[in-house]
Amino acid sequence: DIQMTQSPSSLSASVGDRVTLTCRAGQSISSYLHWYQQKPGKAPKLLIYDASTLQSGVPSRFSGSGSGTDFTLTISSLQPEDFATYYCQQSYNTPVTFGGGTKVEVK
Amino acid sequence: QVQLVESGGGVVQPGRSLRLSCAASGFTYSSHAMHWVRQAPGSGLEWVAVISYDGSTIYYTDSVKGRITISRDNFKNTVDLQMTSLRAEDTAVYYCARDYSRYYDRLDFWGQGTLVSVSS
Repeated sequence: DIQMTQSPSSLSASVGDRVTLTCRAGQSISSYLHWYQQKPGKAPKLLIYDASTLQSGVPSRFSGSGSGTDFTLTISSLQPEDFATYYCQQSYNTPVTFGGGTKVEVK
Repeated sequence: QVQLVESGGGVVQPGRSLRLSCAASGFTYSSHAMHWVRQAPGSGLEWVAVISYDGSTIYYTDSVKGRITISRDNFKNTVDLQMTSLRAEDTAVYYCARDYSRYYDRLDFWGQGTLVSVSS
């Protein structure tokens, strides 16, 4: 199984901050990496797919980069609605695996 | 618009069985793989199973193999999860999710989830 490791597990930030989240795969997964946002009590929402492509309707302050084993999700200017937990997921092979999540909290 | 509505959750005793169902609408159901993903209270997302667009290819996570069966009906636009020999560690919100592709890739739409609680 491909282990997905996200760091940090949580971070505190303020509105307007630039925030970078990291996801590392246990082996190369090319660009088969996707990012999700989940708010409390809600289903996850796809933000970015194939490492860097923005899902339709997602604000452009979100961006993704990376390939192989190391990936980042960046929020260029944190907005109040962005406080949530973010998960990465690989689809290079099965079992599909998710990272443990990064919780973005209010500073 | 794409809609996924899960049903069938509830409280069940350890060792018993439960069947979850997910009704899909708003898209060409038979062109997409479907997943079940679960989330234990206070925990992260755990992928459970995927079934290909035509039902010919199925994968499970190791912890549920032999106890959980995923199936789909491309006439009724539903995907089911039959769970047997339930354990306390199966307690979670279970989400069904549409895959963008026919086999497995990104999960582009999710239902709101159904809660399964395994307790005596």
